[in-house]
Amino acid sequence: QTTLRESGPTLVKPTQTLTLTCLFSGFSLNTRGEGVAWIRQPPGKALEWLALIYWDDDKRYSSSLRNRLTITKDTSKNQVVLTLTNMDPVDTGTYYCAHLYSRSSFGFWGQGNLVSVSS
Amino acid sequence: QSALTQPASVSGSPGQSITISCTGTSSDIGAYNFVSWYQQHPGKAPKLIIYDVTNRPSGVSDRFSASKSDNTASLTISGLQAEDESDYYCGSFTLSKTWVFGGGTKLTVL
Repeated sequence: QTTLRESGPTLVKPTQTLTLTCLFSGFSLNTRGEGVAWIRQPPGKALEWLALIYWDDDKRYSSSLRNRLTITKDTSKNQVVLTLTNMDPVDTGTYYCAHLYSRSSFGFWGQGNLVSVSS
Repeated sequence: QSALTQPASVSGSPGQSITISCTGTSSDIGAYNFVSWYQQHPGKAPKLIIYDVTNRPSGVSDRFSASKSDNTASLTISGLQAEDESDYYCGSFTLSKTWVFGGGTKLTVL
């Protein structure tokens, strides 16, 4: 049974760095073909794909946020960490981690971590 | 990478069929057969309902079907039920080896 759960702050100040952790179970990021993504959703708005890390440590980033994002994994802890630097109020939203399914979609999602950016 | 284009809203009566379109470019939808669809109820995480253009994950109702032609993908829901009222998002893998989502469509069951 695959599960994912995000954890991290609910409030950050502008210019700060956001660090979110995704703890997962039911699969291993040591297994060929596996991947974990981060996706966010501003309140009342659409999904936005942010980043993905593969089992072989290949990393993909959104072109619009590439210079602010870092994704890493700790396979021993079954964790994936996302950092987003220089936070701004427009970065407010729910941040989800999701399991890569069939190479190209996202089959299991965490419940989301709502992050507000405000001074 | 620009978001895929979906209608903001669609509606239908119980028992009817509706179709939601998702338009992209030759760099995303048109590049691969890697289009997916997600259903999201208010306050909940998205749920995968279609992957690789036409495939349903185990447990997803066969009332959901999908297709693709050139740079446009479509999701059809037949036999509309009240529980289908939700937001729907399309997604696509891209030539840049990244992903892009659509702007979302709110389905109202009248």
